[in-house]
Amino acid sequence: NAGVTQTPKFQVLKTGQSMTLQCAQDMNHEYMSWYRQDPGMGLRLIHYSVGAGITDQGEVPNGYNVSRSTTEDFPLRLLSAAPSQTSVYFCASSYSGQGGTYGYTFGSGTRLTVV
Amino acid sequence: KNQVEQSPQSLIILEGKNCTLQCNYTVSPFSNLRWYKQDTGRGPVSLTIMTFSENTKSNGRYTATLDADTKQSSLHITASQLSDSASYICVVSARMRGNKLVFGAGTILRVKS
Repeated sequence: NAGVTQTPKFQVLKTGQSMTLQCAQDMNHEYMSWYRQDPGMGLRLIHYSVGAGITDQGEVPNGYNVSRSTTEDFPLRLLSAAPSQTSVYFCASSYSGQGGTYGYTFGSGTRLTVV
Repeated sequence: KNQVEQSPQSLIILEGKNCTLQCNYTVSPFSNLRWYKQDTGRGPVSLTIMTFSENTKSNGRYTATLDADTKQSSLHITASQLSDSASYICVVSARMRGNKLVFGAGTILRVKS
């Protein structure tokens, strides 16, 4: 049982390049989300999905796209990388329960540097 | 604005000592509060989760408390170990579409021998 798997672990991009961060979960969780973590700040929500085919914007969505064609996968696309997108990115999955969402499981992160 | 504030920002303690980390929040409507441990270079791992009706939850040497009236929580670590060195993050879930999480910036704990 792998949980949440993120790839790659590290990536260096040049300004203007595009790339896709991969996220897969094997727990059949309906919720998946992407966060970025910057020094001195809490994790901030980029995009999230409440089920296959349904996505929504989080707190800092600009410059990122997502899609959710299957329950398992939730890729994050950087359209045209900028230095401000240098960060550590975490994918998480969870399930809905009584009164909220539970079982939040985070991937190990992707450290992205844009030069 | 939904916010989670944690204190102190960082803390150094000797192995075997106890410590308490604080969390104040303004998230509304409140769903639940979680404490996570994040080791360097890893994703956050859940320690405890408490709903509105719970005021204490333990997980081994970790004990979390919640005062929903004052919107405060604490995480108490007993008999600290070197492996407790990590960032501890307070996270509050808002009862809304997607049940969004609001993260604190974390308290960096270093346990010295």
